[in-house]
Amino acid sequence: DTGVSQNPRHKITKRGQNVTFRCDPISEHNRLYWYRQTLGQGPEFLTYFQNEAQLEKSRLLSDRFSAERPKGSFSTLEIQRTEQGDSAMYLCASSPDGPGGEKLFFGSGTQLSVL
Amino acid sequence: AQKVTQAQTEISVVEKEDVTLDCVYETRDTTYYLFWYKQPPSGELVFLIRRNSFDEQNEISGRYSWNFQKSTSSFNFTITASQVVDSAVYFCALSEAGAAGNKLTFGGGTRVLVKP
Repeated sequence: DTGVSQNPRHKITKRGQNVTFRCDPISEHNRLYWYRQTLGQGPEFLTYFQNEAQLEKSRLLSDRFSAERPKGSFSTLEIQRTEQGDSAMYLCASSPDGPGGEKLFFGSGTQLSVL
Repeated sequence: AQKVTQAQTEISVVEKEDVTLDCVYETRDTTYYLFWYKQPPSGELVFLIRRNSFDEQNEISGRYSWNFQKSTSSFNFTITASQVVDSAVYFCALSEAGAAGNKLTFGGGTRVLVKP
């Protein structure tokens, strides 16, 4: 069990640029989640995948955000035309199906700074 | 809609003191899960405990204990004999059982600072 891995750890970009983050979940976990955490706040749910299917998206996920999990393994989160308000920590989590699936394992996150 | 409130934003204690973190939740569901996660300075959220809505037994794990009171919609967390390594942000969270996946609603967190 190597844990949930996220890359990069930090990303600094200029407003208007596109950015992409990657998440590698724990290998046997079918469920994958993206959360966003701003300074001093708790994480907020963005989206959820069951294998390769994106089953739920938050209203926080504007049309500039897109997430994929093409083969049901790793996932990417892309933000187009970044805005300063997108600056946050983006957290990925995974969990198994069935018993124990309610326990989410989180990665260390990608800290995005939009200048 | 689900909501989790952690009224204490920051608590500072001296090592070996006990510290209790409050958590109050709102949900219309009869079946749900409650969680506590720890977020150390490294940023990774670490699972501490899960409690389902039908199990009101209090739980103790080492220096950690949890008090679930369904009547007051509270799920409080106590660290006994705190240590410097306990310094972190602690989040209470709520999940609706049976929802697509296990979407967690987090509280705003309580920062605990344990001074030597």
